[in-house]
Amino acid sequence: DAKTTQPNSMESNEEEPVHLPCNHSTISGTDYIHWYRQLPSQGPEYVIHGLTSNVNNRMASLAIAEDRKSSTLILHRATLRDAAVYYCILTYGGSQGNLIFGKGTKLSVKP
Amino acid sequence: DAGVIQSPRHEVTEMGQEVTLRCKPISGHDYLFWYRQTMMRGLELLIYFNNNVPIDDSGMPEDRFSAKMPNASFSTLKIQPSEPRDSAVYFCASSLRGTGFGNTIYFGEGSWLTVV
Repeated sequence: DAKTTQPNSMESNEEEPVHLPCNHSTISGTDYIHWYRQLPSQGPEYVIHGLTSNVNNRMASLAIAEDRKSSTLILHRATLRDAAVYYCILTYGGSQGNLIFGKGTKLSVKP
Repeated sequence: DAGVIQSPRHEVTEMGQEVTLRCKPISGHDYLFWYRQTMMRGLELLIYFNNNVPIDDSGMPEDRFSAKMPNASFSTLKIQPSEPRDSAVYFCASSLRGTGFGNTIYFGEGSWLTVV
């Protein structure tokens, strides 16, 4: 399985944008890039996913490098509720059960 | 929809006792996953089912662990006998079409197990 590399932790100030990076240099053409986050004492929740093009939804934006070897999750305006562990995960297009979580990035948001 | 429902939310049991964790997936979802989370090992996939059939149980740590899905709306994860090292948060998750092709999975709130 293609692996991802994320910083262990990041800090942000409330109401400022946050850019969470993810490197996936061994990504293959059929791998999707997913982001999940886990709030304290809760199960992981889906944030966003993409294949080649940048994606936007109500929670965040996903910027994917042209060579697809890296991506960035963008929270446009961090709130205290966004403090969580953010996981960048690759899923093989044809597979059904290989959502493999790494250690993720622990995001702290300061008021 | 109510989301993925797990029970119990918290359980404290003595070593050697049987533990049964329960999960109700989101209605209509064909895939069900069991994960375990510890500080040391993070989130690990234990087993997943498709249409009630176990597809991959290679993550089940040992024979003390077993999982069943008797119907589309119910699954159990059983540990017998339990040991202190089984203490963890166990998550159940479900998905409409698995994890391929950008599909997403939905997690329950977890069952927090402590074995003393």
